[in-house]
Amino acid sequence: RKEVEQDPGPFNVPEGATVAFNCTYSNSASQSFFWYRQDCRKEPKLLMSVYSSGNEDGRFTAQLNRASQYISLLIRDSKLSDSATYLCVVKGEENTGFQKLVFGTGTRLLVSP
Amino acid sequence: DTEVTQTPKHLVMGMTNKKSLKCEQHMGHRAMYWYKQKAKKPPELMFVYSYEKLSINESVPSRFSPECPNSSLLNLHLHALQPEDSALYLCASSQDPPGRGTDTQYFGPGTRLTVL
Repeated sequence: RKEVEQDPGPFNVPEGATVAFNCTYSNSASQSFFWYRQDCRKEPKLLMSVYSSGNEDGRFTAQLNRASQYISLLIRDSKLSDSATYLCVVKGEENTGFQKLVFGTGTRLLVSP
Repeated sequence: DTEVTQTPKHLVMGMTNKKSLKCEQHMGHRAMYWYKQKAKKPPELMFVYSYEKLSINESVPSRFSPECPNSSLLNLHLHALQPEDSALYLCASSQDPPGRGTDTQYFGPGTRLTVL
């Protein structure tokens, strides 16, 4: 089983739609959670950290369910510029004590006019 | 400002060449990272430097040799690479080393490497 699993998509949605991505992680000791956005042939950029209480940044809402080891990202009122790959990222501690970012394979979003 | 810069943007090299990738940040970050990303795959961690010392080597072949000349610079020296090493090489930095505070990682734009 992969450490971080995401539906690869693509999710094809019209402008203005609401879309939700899900992510599950296998390491129950994971401590921090993030969503990164990556445009084609560009670097990953931090979209938002994910907190247990849930957090919102404009049109983006992230939720964490530790009991189910599940993270979500909701995008409201989709814009063309939201088209990208969204990477679910989990920070967990290895046996050595080192805390490493583990990336999901990403979910591709295509927003059309 | 969360800028990490990388040079060159693109690099084509033969299997017998020696080249270097450069990464720079002026945010006072104390940890720097090299990642490798193949097409349609997530980034894979290669090396971590904390306070200018190599703290993690994820079993990377010796044809990749990292170097941290000072707290702002991170190099990746390449020698005798194979065509399968062609990928996007990403540098990242964080204010603190992993697990020790503010360790959110910010990525540079990457160097797209092609090995012929």
